[in-house]
Amino acid sequence: NAGVTQTPKFRILKIGQSMTLQCTQDMNHNYMYWYRQDPGMGLKLIYYSVGAGITDKGEVPNGYNVSRSTTEDFPLRLELAAPSQTSVYFCASSFTAYKKGETQYFGPGTRLLVL
Amino acid sequence: AQTVTQSQPEMSVQEAETVTLSCTYDTSESNYYLFWYKQPPSRQMILVIRQEAYKQQNATENRFSVNFQKAAKSFSLKISDSQLGDTAMYFCAFTNNNDMRFGAGTRLTVKP
Repeated sequence: NAGVTQTPKFRILKIGQSMTLQCTQDMNHNYMYWYRQDPGMGLKLIYYSVGAGITDKGEVPNGYNVSRSTTEDFPLRLELAAPSQTSVYFCASSFTAYKKGETQYFGPGTRLLVL
Repeated sequence: AQTVTQSQPEMSVQEAETVTLSCTYDTSESNYYLFWYKQPPSRQMILVIRQEAYKQQNATENRFSVNFQKAAKSFSLKISDSQLGDTAMYFCAFTNNNDMRFGAGTRLTVKP
């Protein structure tokens, strides 16, 4: 049982490039989330999904896209990378809604540097 | 929008001693949940403790306990018998039907 896994661990992008951050969970959780963590700040919710085929915006969705074709996978897409997207990205999952106080399980994070 | 404030960017404590991390939040909601998450140097966040706002009794998990003061909108974390493995960033978090917010974190160092 690997929990929540993320790839890559670290990536450097040039301005304007695109990339996909991968996230997979093997706990059969319905809910999945993407957060970003800027230096000295708490996590901010980018997007979340309540199940396959259903996604919704969080606090800071601009510049990102997501899809959820399976229960296990929840990739995050950056289309035109900007320096403001330099951050550490965390994927998380939970069985039911975080809004109902459910515990979230986090991946190890992806550190992204946009130059 | 709800806000979560952790006023102590850094703290340190001697091994085996007790330390308290502060967290305040702002909300007009009456029903919500509060969490403390730990982020060790490995970066992977794990849940430490969880409190439901409608429960008056303070949550406890082994050496970790909270002091939940609903009227004051305060949710502090007490770590007893601190261990070297407690060295980490600690994040206070708030969630209700509309929102999920994290504080900026407190970096705790446990000294031998």
